[in-house]
Amino acid sequence: QKEVEQNSGPLSVPEGAIASLNCTYSDRGSQSFFWYRQYSGKSPELIMSIYSNGDKEDGRFTAQLNKASQYVSLLIRDSQPSDSATYLCAVTGIWNTGKLIFGQGTTLQVKP
Amino acid sequence: NAGVTQTPKFQVLKTGQSMTLQCAQDMNHNSMYWYRQDPGMGLRLIYYSASEGTTDKGEVPNGYNVSRLNKREFSLRLESAAPSQTSVYFCASSEEGQVSLGTEAFFGQGTRLTVV
Repeated sequence: QKEVEQNSGPLSVPEGAIASLNCTYSDRGSQSFFWYRQYSGKSPELIMSIYSNGDKEDGRFTAQLNKASQYVSLLIRDSQPSDSATYLCAVTGIWNTGKLIFGQGTTLQVKP
Repeated sequence: NAGVTQTPKFQVLKTGQSMTLQCAQDMNHNSMYWYRQDPGMGLRLIYYSASEGTTDKGEVPNGYNVSRLNKREFSLRLESAAPSQTSVYFCASSEEGQVSLGTEAFFGQGTRLTVV
């Protein structure tokens, strides 16, 4: 079982809709959770981080964390064509030893 | 401010050849990582280094070696390249954070490696 799992998609949503991206992880000791966005041919860039159970909002993005269910999600409101990219979930452990593990990524397509 | 710099950006190797991918960061970060990215596989951790002088295996270390030369530099070596190592390689760095406080990882531009 991979440590961090995502549905590879593609997830297709119309412009203006809410895109919901999901991620599960296997290590109950995980403490820090990240969402990265990667455009085709580019490097990943951080868009959200979350450490505590609940929701964290930043502009059109909301990250949700449920440690009991080992589940983290990313909601993108008012999706734009420029949001079309691969979204990578990443997790690091309790001791923050530097072992940052990524899921396989979900490709999001926002159609005008 | 260069951030994380990887060299080379592109490389073609013949099976059995060796090469070293170089990575340097100028952000005074303690942690550095090497990942490979294949279609549909996301980023898979090859090796990481939590601090100068230490290295640890990640998810897919076979066929690779690393050196944390100093705090700034973390190199990845392929001793005998194989076609299965054709991939895009990313180096990244981050601060060493406190427990429960992760920090952002910054990525280099990537190296596209083809082994024929």
